[in-house]
Amino acid sequence: DTGVSQNPRHKITKRGQNVTFRCDPISEHNRLYWYRQTLGQGPEFLTYFQNEAQLEKSRLLSDRFSAERPKGSFSTLEIQRTEQGDSAMYLCASSSRGNTEAFFGQGTRLTVV
Amino acid sequence: AQSVAQPEDQVNVAEGNPLTVKCTYSVSGNPYLFWYVQYPNRGLQFLLKYITGDNLVKGSYGFEAEFNKSQTSFHLKKPSALVSDSALYFCAVRDGGDAGNMLTFGGGTRLMVKP
Repeated sequence: DTGVSQNPRHKITKRGQNVTFRCDPISEHNRLYWYRQTLGQGPEFLTYFQNEAQLEKSRLLSDRFSAERPKGSFSTLEIQRTEQGDSAMYLCASSSRGNTEAFFGQGTRLTVV
Repeated sequence: AQSVAQPEDQVNVAEGNPLTVKCTYSVSGNPYLFWYVQYPNRGLQFLLKYITGDNLVKGSYGFEAEFNKSQTSFHLKKPSALVSDSALYFCAVRDGGDAGNMLTFGGGTRLMVKP
């Protein structure tokens, strides 16, 4: 399968713990995006990478959130000191220059208890 | 700032009947418009897009959408609904140009197709 891959699919963590999610984009795509989707809502943009450079960050991305894309391949999204409000589906997407639609992974569902 | 409105939380239609899922948008420049579908516990699956050209665009699974610039709308349509079309549908917009692909999504419309 050459689609966008996200791991883990599900994560349950206790409030205050740190969590890290991984996204492997479609191999020829140089653009990578993270979105957050809460129950009953549409996805909300978090951050965008072009190759290894993080070019855009939403104000939703508080200082407890950090994203990286070393070497312009896979990306990680870390949430420190998780809060119950962080419970959501975290979606990763990728696209290539000139290809205007983004392709989404299946998401990581985070539950903070 | 860009925004998308999907005025219907849910659309109910009988199998075999035509369906329409409504979407209106606001964007400062030329709009790039998209429809995605989401099945339970799955990511978003691309259906179709409008970038430029013909106002009627055709996409996957027999879906099509009509771009109307004067009404700032991009309604999703299908001539004959299937039970398997039941899912959550999202309209999304971004400003044209090559500044990235940051999409703004609507709140989604649940489509229920009854046999």
